[in-house]
Amino acid sequence: QKEVEQDPGPLSVPEGAIVSLNCTYSNSAFQYFMWYRQYSRKGPELLMYTYSSGNKEDGRFTAQVDKSSKYISLFIRDSQPSDSATYLCAMVDSNYQLIWGAGTKLIIKP
Amino acid sequence: NAGVTQTPKFQVLKTGQSMTLQCAQDMNHEYMSWYRQDPGMGLRLIHYSVGAGITDQGEVPNGYNVSRSTTEDFPLRLLSAAPSQTSVYFCASKTGLGTYEQYFGPGTRLTVT
Repeated sequence: QKEVEQDPGPLSVPEGAIVSLNCTYSNSAFQYFMWYRQYSRKGPELLMYTYSSGNKEDGRFTAQVDKSSKYISLFIRDSQPSDSATYLCAMVDSNYQLIWGAGTKLIIKP
Repeated sequence: NAGVTQTPKFQVLKTGQSMTLQCAQDMNHEYMSWYRQDPGMGLRLIHYSVGAGITDQGEVPNGYNVSRSTTEDFPLRLLSAAPSQTSVYFCASKTGLGTYEQYFGPGTRLTVT
């Protein structure tokens, strides 16, 4: 079993919809949780990070962490075609290394 | 700032050949790393370095060597290419081991036939 599970998709939604992307994890020692966005044929770039349980907002994006359920989510409001990308969750282990989900491919249809 | 640069962008090798993937960063970051990305597998850490002269193995180090003679450069060497090493390779850097935002290069797409 992988330490971080993420549905690979693809997830296809119409423009303007609210998108929910999720990851589950098994290691309760994970402390920092991140979401990276990766456009096709590009390197990943950090979108958001959070430390504690609860919500963190940044514009149209909200990151949510539920440590009791070992579950993290990324919500995108008013989705745009430019949001079409692969979204990877990542978590920091006790050796400060990132443990990655496989990524979810998101397609926003105009 | 160019950020993290990688060369080449594409490469085709025959089984048994060797090559070096180049990575450089101009942000004066101490920590650099190499990942491979395969469909359905996410990013897997190959090797990393916490500073010039210091390297360590990641999750999938077999078949790869690294060195870190300067802060800026972190080349990845494939010793004897195998079809299982067909992948997209990303170099990344961050300020230090205890920081979390990594900056990625554009990747090298490697095919081994």
